[in-house]
Amino acid sequence: NAGVTQTPKFQVLKTGQSMTLQCAQDMNHEYMSWYRQDPGMGLRLIHYSVGAGITDQGEVPNGYNVSRSTTEDFPLRLLSAAPSQTSVYFCASSSKAGGPDTQYFGPGTRLTVL
Amino acid sequence: GESVGLHLPTLSVQEGDNSIINCAYSNSASDYFIWYKQESGKGPQFIIDIRSNMDKRQGQRVTVLLNKTVKHLSLQIAATQPGDSAVYFCAENITEWRLGGGSNYKLTFGKGTLLTVNP
Repeated sequence: NAGVTQTPKFQVLKTGQSMTLQCAQDMNHEYMSWYRQDPGMGLRLIHYSVGAGITDQGEVPNGYNVSRSTTEDFPLRLLSAAPSQTSVYFCASSSKAGGPDTQYFGPGTRLTVL
Repeated sequence: GESVGLHLPTLSVQEGDNSIINCAYSNSASDYFIWYKQESGKGPQFIIDIRSNMDKRQGQRVTVLLNKTVKHLSLQIAATQPGDSAVYFCAENITEWRLGGGSNYKLTFGKGTLLTVNP
C-alpha cells in the first residue's frame, strides 16, 4: 500500500490563480480530511468527508472547495488563491468515521501564494 | 481561541533522559486524546491515544497520562533517543453522532512542542 499520497509536494501560485491539491489513499478508508498547518500553529481542519458523495466543512473552510466522487480521492480546490492561503496542506484518511485513532496523514503540499 | 494548548513550545533533553511534554485542554466533552509526532518535512504520525475514561496508557517507551480534573494531558518518553527529535502535537477529539446512524469525529490540535534530543 502506498498509504496517503499528495501531489504536488510544492506549488507557487499568484494571487487569483486556481489550483487543485490532489489526495489519494489506497486503504479503502471511509473518512478523509484536509488540514492546513501554519507556523507556530496546530493543524486546522478545512473540510472532511465521511464517505463518497459526502463532504462537510471544518474549522476554516472559506476559500476552499472539496468533492468526494470516489472512496480513494479527495481533491481540495482553491478557486482564487490568496496570500493568506500560503500554508502546508495535509490530507488524512481513517478507517472509520468514529475512530480518529487510525488516521493516516499524507506527506503534505507546501503552497506559496504570491 | 484554541481549546488545546501546550505549556512548553520547546524542550531540549539529553539522550537517555526521560522527556515529558504537556498539554492543556478546555473542552470537557472531549472523549479521546491523541499524541502525534511530526518530523521535519513529513506529515504527523500517530504515537499513542487515550480515551477519556482512562487516566493512563502505556506504549513502547511512551506513556500518556490524562488528568480530567485539571484538563491536562502529558506524553512521557522514556530513554529519549535522537530519533525522537520532532514536533509533538496533542489533539482532542469530540465525537458527533449522525442522524441515521454512524458518527463523525472532529480533532482539535494543539500548537506543538519541539523536542530536541542532544547526543
